[in-house]
Amino acid sequence: DAGVTQSPTHLIKTRGQQVTLRCSPKSGHDTVSWYQQALGQGPQFIFQYYEEEERQRGNFPDRFSGHQFPNYSSELNVNALLLGDSALYLCASRPSGGGDEQFFGPGTRLTVL
Amino acid sequence: AQSVAQPEDQVNVAEGNPLTVKCTYSVSGNPYLFWYVQYPNRGLQFLLKYITGDNLVKGSYGFEAEFNKSQTSFHLKKPSALVSDSALYFCAVRDITAGAGSYQLTFGKGTKLSVIP
Repeated sequence: DAGVTQSPTHLIKTRGQQVTLRCSPKSGHDTVSWYQQALGQGPQFIFQYYEEEERQRGNFPDRFSGHQFPNYSSELNVNALLLGDSALYLCASRPSGGGDEQFFGPGTRLTVL
Repeated sequence: AQSVAQPEDQVNVAEGNPLTVKCTYSVSGNPYLFWYVQYPNRGLQFLLKYITGDNLVKGSYGFEAEFNKSQTSFHLKKPSALVSDSALYFCAVRDITAGAGSYQLTFGKGTKLSVIP
C-alpha cells in the first residue's frame, strides 16, 4: 500500500512565476492538508481540504490556492512566486474513518530564484 | 492562539544512554499533542500522540512521551538511544478550537537529535 505521494520531488522557478504541486493521499484517506516548511523551521499549516472544499486556512496570502479532486488527490498552486516561497511543501492525509494521526508525504522542494 | 516551544535546537546523547527531547505548549482547552520525526530528505513520520488518558504515552520505535498538565509539557523520551535515532524531532499540537473537523497542526521549530556512537 503506497503512502502519501507528492510530485514533483524538486522544482526550480523564478520570481513571478506560478507553480502547481500535486499530492495523492494514502488509500482510504479523504482529508488532505498542505504545509510549508522553510529551512530550519517547523511546518506551517497552509490549508485543509475535505469533500473537495477548503475547510480551513492558515495565515497565507491568496497567492496560495488549492484544489481537491473527486479521487481525494490535491493540488497546491502558488502564483507570483517570491524568493520567500522557497521551502519544502508537505502534504498530509487523514483516514476517512477518523483518528487524529496524519500521514505525511516526502514533500516537494521548491526553490525560487 | 496555540503555540509549541522546543527550547533546544540540538540534543546530543551517547548511544545507549537515555534521551529526552523537550516540548512545552500553550492551548485553549484540552491539548491534542503529537510527536513527529523527520529524517533527511524525508517527510514527517508519526511517533505518538496524547489525546486523553494515561500521562505516559508509548509510541513507535521504543519512544514514549510524558504529558504534564501542570507544567504544560510533553517531553519525548527513550530509555536507550540508538545511532539510527539521529534525526529532527517535531512536537505539534492540534487546533481543536476551530471545530471538530479541523486537523490543523501547529509545530515547534524542531530539535535535532544526534546520537553519538
